[in-house]
Amino acid sequence: AQSVTQLGSHVSVSEGALVLLRCNYSSSVPPYLFWYVQYPNQGLQLLLKYTSAATLVKGINGFEAEFKKSETSFHLTKPSAHMSDAAEYFCAVSSGGYQKVTFGIGTKLQVIP
Amino acid sequence: NAGVTQTPKFQVLKTGQSMTLQCAQDMNHEYMSWYRQDPGMGLRLIHYSVGAGITDQGEVPNGYNVSRSTTEDFPLRLLSAAPSQTSVYFCASRAGTSGRTNEQFFGPGTRLTVL
Repeated sequence: AQSVTQLGSHVSVSEGALVLLRCNYSSSVPPYLFWYVQYPNQGLQLLLKYTSAATLVKGINGFEAEFKKSETSFHLTKPSAHMSDAAEYFCAVSSGGYQKVTFGIGTKLQVIP
Repeated sequence: NAGVTQTPKFQVLKTGQSMTLQCAQDMNHEYMSWYRQDPGMGLRLIHYSVGAGITDQGEVPNGYNVSRSTTEDFPLRLLSAAPSQTSVYFCASRAGTSGRTNEQFFGPGTRLTVL
C-alpha cells in the first residue's frame, strides 16, 4: 500500500520569500516520488522526480526537493518565490506496477506581492 | 506533437444522460489513464490501459467505461450521468507501463457538470 500526505492545502508566501511545500509518503517498498504543478485551468506538468539516483533533486523553475528516507519526506522548496509560482502543487508516489501512482490532495500556493 | 488532447473542454449534462469524453495522444505511449479531480481530494484514478485492447479499473471506476482500440485513443464513457460525477476529468499518458520512473503527460482537462 502507498499513500501521500501533503501538509497544508493552502500556503501563502510573500514574493521573494522561501517556498516550502511539505509531502510525506508511505510505501512498503522503496518509492519513486514526483512533484507536479497545475496552473489555473490547465493540466498537470512534471516539476521534478526522485528515482533513487540522488536524494536532492532539481526541477524546473528553480524548484528542488530532497528525499529523506528517515523522515519519509519529499518536501518541495524554492529559495525565492515569484508571482508566476502561484499554482497548485501535487506530490505523487509510485511503488511499482502499472497503475500505482498515488497523488496527494494538492497544495495551493499563493504569492503575495 | 500535440501531446495529450481532450474534448470537449466543458460539458453540461442532465442526470441520466450518457456521453463520451475523448482523449488522444500522439506520443505512441503505451500507458493511458483517466483521473477525476475534486476539491480536497486530489486526483483519483478511474481507469487505465497498458496498451491497445487492455484496460483495467482504478480507484473509482463505478459509472464509467473505457476501451482502447488503438494506441492513440482512450475514450471515457459515462453510462448514466449522476450529479456525483460533476468533476474535472484529466487524461494522461506515459511511455512504458512502469509508473516508477516515467512521468505522466496530462491533457488540459474536461470540466463536466451534471445537473
